[in-house]
Order: sequence, then structure tokens, then C-alpha cells
Amino acid sequence: NAGVTQTPKFQVLKTGQSMTLQCAQDMNHNSMYWYRQDPGMGLRLIYYSASEGTTDKGEVPNGYNVSRLNKREFSLRLESAAPSQTSVYFCASSVASEYEQYFGPGTRLTVT
Amino acid sequence: GNSVTQMEGPVTLSEEAFLTINCTYTATGYPSLFWYVQYPGEGLQLLLKATKADDKGSNKGFEATYRKETTSFHLEKGSVQVSDSAVYFCALSDFGSSNTGKLIFGQGTTLQVKP
Repeated sequence: NAGVTQTPKFQVLKTGQSMTLQCAQDMNHNSMYWYRQDPGMGLRLIYYSASEGTTDKGEVPNGYNVSRLNKREFSLRLESAAPSQTSVYFCASSVASEYEQYFGPGTRLTVT
Repeated sequence: GNSVTQMEGPVTLSEEAFLTINCTYTATGYPSLFWYVQYPGEGLQLLLKATKADDKGSNKGFEATYRKETTSFHLEKGSVQVSDSAVYFCALSDFGSSNTGKLIFGQGTTLQVKP
């Protein structure tokens, strides 16, 4: 039981490049989330998926897109990376929206 | 809107000292409250939670009580260890008008425990 896994762990992009961050959970959770963590700002929600087949914007969705590929997988795509997207990205999942969330180890992204 | 405010860090303590990290919140309705811990280079782990007023969450010697009258959820531990050095996040579940249950986090408090 791996919990929530994320790939890659580290990534460096040049401005304008695109990439997809992958997230998978093996806990049969219905809800999945993408956050970014920046110094002094806690975690901010980018997008979430309350259940398979649905996605919604969070607090800071601009510049990102998501895909809930199936119940296990929830990917985050940066179409044209910008230096402001340099951050640590965390994926999380929960049984349902009202329950505690379980986090992956994070992806550290640098955009130059 | 709903929000969480934590005491600013870093907090530096000697081993076996008493720990308090303050957390207050603003919310409509009756949110659940959480403390998460993040060890260096890792993701967040749920430390404890409380789902209604006067509930006390506890885990690994840490405790926090859901105080609706003071809108607080302060984290305490009687005797900290070096291994407790980490960043601690207070959070509430935000149902709001869309009933998403997403978490709203405080900015985090860094705890450093010295031997």
C-alpha cells in the first residue's frame, strides 16, 4: 500500500515549456487535490476532483489544467511554464470531500 | 471567507520543553479542524483532528482541543523531542457554499528542538 505517489520528484523547466505532473493513489479514495506550497504562504489549492469524472478550480488555477484519468490518477499540466510557477506541488486524496486528506511526497519544480 | 491564522515562527525549544503553537480560525458553520506535520523533504502527514466543538484530538503526545467559543485549536505537547522538529500546519475543512470540503491551511509554524 503505497498511499499517494507523485512523479517526478524534481523538475527544471525553461520558461514556455510544458509538462505534466502525475499523481496516483491506491486507497480507493474518491476525492483528489493539487496544491502548491510557497514559502510563508502555506498550501494553496490549485484544482480538485471531488469524484471520478469531475474537476473544479481551486484558489490559484490560472496557468494549470488537470485530468482525472480514472479513480486512481489525477494529473496536473502546465501548458506554458512561467517562473511564477516555481514551487513545490503536492497531490492529496481523501475518502470524500469532508474527510482528512493524505498527501504525496511532492514535486519540486523550478522554472528558469 | 474562511481562514486560519497561526503564530509566526520559527519556534526554538530545548528538548523536554513544553510546546504550544497557537491557531485561530474564522469560519461559517462547523468545520473540522486538523493539524498536519511536514518533516524536511517530505509531504504533509495528518497529526490529529477534531470534528466538533470540545473534541480533543491527540496523537504521538500532541493534543489540540476544538474551542468554538474562542475559535481556536492550539497544538500542545508536554515534552518535545529533537525528532519533533518540523513544520506544523493548522487547517480547517472549508465546505462553504460549494460543499467541496477542501482544506484551508495556515501559513505553517517551524519548530526547531535543540538537544
